[in-house]
Amino acid sequence: DTAVSQTPKYLVTQMGNDKSIKCEQNLGHDTMYWYKQDSKKFLKIMFSYNNKELIINETVPNRFSPKSPDKAHLNLHINSLELGDSAVYFCASSQGTSGVTKQFFGPGTRLTVL
Amino acid sequence: DQQVKQNSPSLSVQEGRISILNCDYTNSMFDYFLWYKKYPAEGPTFLISISSIKDKNEDGRFTVFLNKSAKHLSLHIVPSQPGDSAVYFCAASGGSNYKLTFGKGTLLTVNP
Repeated sequence: DTAVSQTPKYLVTQMGNDKSIKCEQNLGHDTMYWYKQDSKKFLKIMFSYNNKELIINETVPNRFSPKSPDKAHLNLHINSLELGDSAVYFCASSQGTSGVTKQFFGPGTRLTVL
Repeated sequence: DQQVKQNSPSLSVQEGRISILNCDYTNSMFDYFLWYKKYPAEGPTFLISISSIKDKNEDGRFTVFLNKSAKHLSLHIVPSQPGDSAVYFCAASGGSNYKLTFGKGTLLTVNP
């Protein structure tokens, strides 16, 4: 039974399109995250939600909009996709927001913008 | 501005030997450190962590050492096994900033 799942696993699209990535966790956690791993392999936090409230919003273009319909889901919508958006996007969840809490990651969504 | 640095992109060791992965950090506010392991096409999985009030934490074959004065931590794997072959990420958090900051990762290859 997958703890943190993401769909789709692969996404290939044209510049200018709008796309969404979905994330679901069945761990009962109250905090969810989106990370981006770019070509340089750095894993960088983009957003975090705690109990459906946005608590971390890094310097990310406003073309990226997270939505948390409930504690178990955090979706990422990207408007007007650009070449530089190509990356692997990871969803994660944890119980609590403290930096000492373990985060559980999904398998990632590889986004390729042509 | 890399606050967490893993200067070795890759490391190759023989099965049964010790693997030592290193991590340096620059932010003095970091007070909690974690290691994550990542296999290809999977998300990172938590391996071991250490608080800044300790200098060593051990879990089975994995030991993390923290040298606060040098702002350096290391992960020791003894004995190394082929299944340990993966990318290892060092991460840190601290102060009022509870988000995790990750290093770039080190690819460990354990040869049979």
